[in-house]
Amino acid sequence: KAGVTQTPRYLIKTRGQQVTLSCSPISGHRSVSWYQQTPGQGLQFLFEYFSETQRNKGNFPGRFSGRQFSNSRSEMNVSTLELGDSALYLCASSPGAGGRETQYFGPGTRLLVL
Amino acid sequence: GDSVVQTEGQVLPSEGDSLIVNCSYETTQYPSLFWYVQYPGEGPQLHLKAMKANDKGRNKGFEAMYRKETTSFHLEKDSVQESDSAVYFCAPDLEYGNKLVFGAGTILRVKS
Repeated sequence: KAGVTQTPRYLIKTRGQQVTLSCSPISGHRSVSWYQQTPGQGLQFLFEYFSETQRNKGNFPGRFSGRQFSNSRSEMNVSTLELGDSALYLCASSPGAGGRETQYFGPGTRLLVL
Repeated sequence: GDSVVQTEGQVLPSEGDSLIVNCSYETTQYPSLFWYVQYPGEGPQLHLKAMKANDKGRNKGFEAMYRKETTSFHLEKDSVQESDSAVYFCAPDLEYGNKLVFGAGTILRVKS
């Protein structure tokens, strides 16, 4: 089975721009979660989607948004980019919605904001 | 609020040394407990897990016991190898629904 794929792998943007990152979960997985990883803050939960509905949201400003499509693929969007948004953005998928499940991570999208 | 604390910074054992990486969490819930490992250039991957009190997760010689009374999930290994070098994250699932709360990460560098 193919793993979680994320595109693009690397991205350079300037302050004020917006960006869209994409995640394709493992086939058959219906839950997709997004995390931000930075040296200072570590790994922080952004949001989780299941069956096209956002079920959980972390403590990030409204500039961070996401969505999930009927095929479980997910996108996240960051508007009005700030320097502090530079990070590795990780997507993880799991089979169901019950919690207590192993999450399978993709390799991440490394975003640099100049 | 819910939180997790693990051994911070780097741990520098020599090959063959024993290892304990501490993990303690605070929550009013009954979480599932995970250790994830991350190698350079990759996303975290599951290392081991325990679903309920007194369960023991095991993988590649590592073990961690779910201790509900002390809210801890320490990672242990009797004899580390250079290939164990990586960053290890303790990550309880503190809220219902696939939301992991990660510890700060422990960098394990095993000296050969």
